[in-house]
Amino acid sequence: DAGVIQSPRHEVTEMGQEVTLRCKPISGHDYLFWYRQTMMRGLELLIYFNNNVPIDDSGMPEDRFSAKMPNASFSTLKIQPSEPRDSAVYFCASTEPDARGYTFGSGTRLTVV
Amino acid sequence: GDSVTQMEGPVTLSEEAFLTINCTYTATGYPSLFWYVQYPGEGLQLLLKATKADDKGSNKGFEATYRKETTSFHLEKGSVQVSDSAVYFCALSDHGGAQKLVFGQGTRLTINP
Repeated sequence: DAGVIQSPRHEVTEMGQEVTLRCKPISGHDYLFWYRQTMMRGLELLIYFNNNVPIDDSGMPEDRFSAKMPNASFSTLKIQPSEPRDSAVYFCASTEPDARGYTFGSGTRLTVV
Repeated sequence: GDSVTQMEGPVTLSEEAFLTINCTYTATGYPSLFWYVQYPGEGLQLLLKATKADDKGSNKGFEATYRKETTSFHLEKGSVQVSDSAVYFCALSDHGGAQKLVFGQGTRLTINP
């Protein structure tokens, strides 16, 4: 299995531009999570899905952030418009519904200038 | 709400030293507990886990015991190597681990030869 695949690995964009981050979970995993990691705030859960349905989006910072999961093999996290404070590493993770723990992707390092 | 507190880093040790990274938690139910490790430029990897009181998780020479009476899950290793240098995260999850993980702030470990 190729694991959780995220793209792009690095993204540099100008303030005000739209940014789309992509994630392909492990086949058969019913849960998908989006996390943000910064030095100041550590790891923050943004949103998670179960069977493609958003379950908890209380961590989404504001209306500029949106996430979708149109099918079991693909999810996107979109920021529109982007701001410098959105600069962070964004991780996607997936898991089966048991106590095995998550599998994380390698992350997308976003820099907004 | 649920929370995880880890000892503050950074922690610097010499090779072959004994390692302890403290982790305590607050949870309303009976969570599963995890340790994740993050190597530079990578996503988090599950290191070990425990799902009930007195369980001991172990992997790669690391171990941690689920102590319900002290609400702790301290990570230990008897003899660390340079390759153990990474950031270590303690985490918990209620409801069997399928739902969201709550992470501690991470502890950066550096092992000097």
